[in-house]
Amino acid sequence: NAGVTQTPKFQVLKTGQSMTLQCAQDMNHEYMSWYRQDPGMGLRLIHYSVGAGITDQGEVPNGYNVSRSTTEDFPLRLLSAAPSQTSVYFCASRVGFSYNEQFFGPGTRLTVL
Amino acid sequence: EDQVTQSPEALRLQEGESSSLNCSYTVSGLRGLFWYRQDPGKGPEFLFTLYSAGEEKEKERLKATLTKKESFLHITAPKPEDSATYLCAVQAGRGAQKLVFGQGTRLTINP
Repeated sequence: NAGVTQTPKFQVLKTGQSMTLQCAQDMNHEYMSWYRQDPGMGLRLIHYSVGAGITDQGEVPNGYNVSRSTTEDFPLRLLSAAPSQTSVYFCASRVGFSYNEQFFGPGTRLTVL
Repeated sequence: EDQVTQSPEALRLQEGESSSLNCSYTVSGLRGLFWYRQDPGKGPEFLFTLYSAGEEKEKERLKATLTKKESFLHITAPKPEDSATYLCAVQAGRGAQKLVFGQGTRLTINP
């Protein structure tokens, strides 16, 4: 199993550009989440999904969109990038409601100029 | 509002020098407390889940404990490969769909 994979690993954008961060998992997990990690702050939840076709907002959803058309994939879209979105983004998945053994991807480091 | 505070921010130890990391939390209705290890440039890796006060979990040189207000991650006779950032997170409230993370403790073990 590859686990949770994310692409790209690094990305530089200009203010106003849009892009999609890709996330895929091959563990047949129902629950998937996107977090951002900033220096001096804990990981913060952006959006999450409890199954194909079902998504909801987390703690910091503004400026981001998600969709979940398949169990495996959970892309994160930046609609119009802003410097405040410079961060490291992590995708995660788990089997069910409990966070026991949540698996994280390797992260995408995004810089917005 | 649910809050998680970890201390110290950074800790430097000599190989074999045991110590503890602290995670204090203020939540309504704890559903679970989680410890993760994060190496530079990588995603967090799950270590332990604790559900109720008095519970303890062990894995190699690590032992996690839980009280009603805080959790400790005890590191016994650490080795350089234990160097990492250790993250604490809580899941709280009925139907809670998110974890609240602390800022992490950056642990360095010198040989």
